[in-house]
Amino acid sequence: AQKVTQAQTEISVVEKEDVTLDCVYETRDTTYYLFWYKQPPSGELVFLIRRNSFDEQNEISGRYSWNFQKSTSSFNFTITASQVVDSAVYFCALSHNNAGNMLTFGGGTRLMVKP
Amino acid sequence: DVKVTQSSRYLVKRTGEKVFLECVQDMDHENMFWYRQDPGLGLRLIYFSYDVKMKEKGDIPEGYSVSREKKERFSLILESASTNQTSMYLCASSQETSGGTDTQYFGPGTRLTVL
Repeated sequence: AQKVTQAQTEISVVEKEDVTLDCVYETRDTTYYLFWYKQPPSGELVFLIRRNSFDEQNEISGRYSWNFQKSTSSFNFTITASQVVDSAVYFCALSHNNAGNMLTFGGGTRLMVKP
Repeated sequence: DVKVTQSSRYLVKRTGEKVFLECVQDMDHENMFWYRQDPGLGLRLIYFSYDVKMKEKGDIPEGYSVSREKKERFSLILESASTNQTSMYLCASSQETSGGTDTQYFGPGTRLTVL
């Protein structure tokens, strides 16, 4: 069975601090994809990144970076120099290797960045 | 840009009413999904569709049905709304890709309250 665990339900930081959001997954598929989405207070989930299971290179996009470690089944997300606009709920998700491209989501981590 | 729209942002209904939630996407995507989001539980898949008139049950289909008569439109139906169906409902769409998983794009969500 597929499972995604985001152990941190809420994180609070002060602006300019670095913060890491953890994501641990379980799957029996050999080919799979991992995703991160951001849900700001407006409610719409915004796609941030997709990573396939064969690509363990870390990715950096501006202040965002992702660390994929297959050995520990983790796909962690770091925000450097956090800003108030980063305040949101962040979801990690895992694909199913079947028709329809279903996703299993973690419970989400609410990040609050205080000025 | 992918655009997924949902018919209402906020909806209030009474117990026992029949409720229709509509979702439309403009990117000619094959796959469409309905999720509900509850605090601490992340997103849970209700139903998805990988083609017109095709539907598959997700993790929590009980109390819901769906309809996909046209490729761009996917409707979620609550035959007889109950208070435990008070939730945020999110629609998503994605392209079907062979051998891989394409990104799901989400609508703004409908916050449904059943009194």
